Amino acid sequence: DADVTQTPRNRITKTGKRIMLECSQTKGHDRMYWYRQDPGLGLRLIYYSFDVKDINKGEISDGYSVSRQAQAKFSLSLESAIPNQTALYFCATSDSHGPRQGNEQFFGPGTRLTVL
Amino acid sequence: RKEVEQDPGPFNVPEGATVAFNCTYSNSASQSFFWYRQDCRKEPKLLMSVYSSGNEDGRFTAQLNRASQYISLLIRDSKLSDSATYLCVVNGNSGGSNYKLTFGKGTLLTVNP
Repeated sequence: DADVTQTPRNRITKTGKRIMLECSQTKGHDRMYWYRQDPGLGLRLIYYSFDVKDINKGEISDGYSVSRQAQAKFSLSLESAIPNQTALYFCATSDSHGPRQGNEQFFGPGTRLTVL
Repeated sequence: RKEVEQDPGPFNVPEGATVAFNCTYSNSASQSFFWYRQDCRKEPKLLMSVYSSGNEDGRFTAQLNRASQYISLLIRDSKLSDSATYLCVVNGNSGGSNYKLTFGKGTLLTVNP
């Protein structure tokens, strides 16, 4: 079984719709992250969470919100999707108590989102 | 200077070739450095960490030059399976919490038979 899972894997939606992307992990890590990846722009951090009660904005949080429902679950919402939110979205985890003190991040398989 | 900058490539090399990727970073206070590998339409995965003394893992050698803020990855005896995008990753932290990994845009490598 995959350690970091994302659902759905692919989603096509229309402008203005509310979308939720979900991430679950069985690694027991305390830190979780949401990134988006666009061709030519690389990976950009949307939100990150150090613990259930600790949520922080990344470099491109506008238009997104998150919820850390439990240590193992971190969801990303697009309240009103727009076409320029079409991208590949990755969830990642890291362990602040690990040998690299949280530096190494483990990624989920990604969600390909298309907003028409 | 961009936070993390890489030559986007693409690099097309024959099997058995040696190929080198370069990366520069702008934050002189960065603490940790990595190379990640990303296969087409897949998630990034850690390839290796980069240490000041340089480190080697089989056919892969990583080097760090803090004075020049430069990181390199050398792949010897390239295999078809090395075809992927290689991401230079830097911990942009200047102290305290070490959460923020900054990713380069990646260098695409294709190894041809």
